[in-house]
Amino acid sequence: DAMVIQNPRYQVTQFGKPVTLSCSQTLNHNVMYWYQQKSSQAPKLLFHYYDKDFNNEADTPDNFQSRRPNTSFCFLDIRSPGLGDAAMYLCATSPFSRVDTQYFGPGTRLTVL
Amino acid sequence: AQSVSQHNHHVILSEAASLELGCNYSYGGTVNLFWYVQYPGQHLQLLLKYFSGDPLVKGIKGFEAEFIKSKFSFNLRKPSVQWSDTAEYFCAVNSASGGSYIPTFGRGTSLIVHP
Repeated sequence: DAMVIQNPRYQVTQFGKPVTLSCSQTLNHNVMYWYQQKSSQAPKLLFHYYDKDFNNEADTPDNFQSRRPNTSFCFLDIRSPGLGDAAMYLCATSPFSRVDTQYFGPGTRLTVL
Repeated sequence: AQSVSQHNHHVILSEAASLELGCNYSYGGTVNLFWYVQYPGQHLQLLLKYFSGDPLVKGIKGFEAEFIKSKFSFNLRKPSVQWSDTAEYFCAVNSASGGSYIPTFGRGTSLIVHP
């Protein structure tokens, strides 16, 4: 089945130790998103790719970066995780435009010790 | 910037009760509106959406939502809930603002349905 896959599902890192979360899709969708979701809060958009065009939200910390080497893969790099970065990280895709339906992966739960 | 409000954070119902979850947004321009659902242990998935046309839209599993432009609202309804409707429900708005297309989510409503 075509889908959005996130690895790993659970990630534990130490304070300040860089971590990379990955997302892949078999849907061949044009748009890919990264969200941060903390408990009882709305998913917060960090950035998105419209094809190869990278869009960083104004309030996304510089500590967060992203790469999209090809259509299928997208990575979220956290350079120096702090305790406040512990959250669920959601990857999503949209077929053609940024106002389309989003298709979500299962998320990666990040714990920072 | 767009904001989305879901006023009911936790809702507890018995089976067969009627459901209405509120969603209001702030931006008054052209918007696409969505309700997503997250069942326990599963990923977020689309429940229904409104892009244009009939403001009353029907989704999966008997859910429907009504877009009322004058009230900036997109409330979700179901006449008779089932135990299997227990889930987290998120309202989301995609709007074009200054050339930027930013999907904005509400904080979600946790629905528990007792058998």
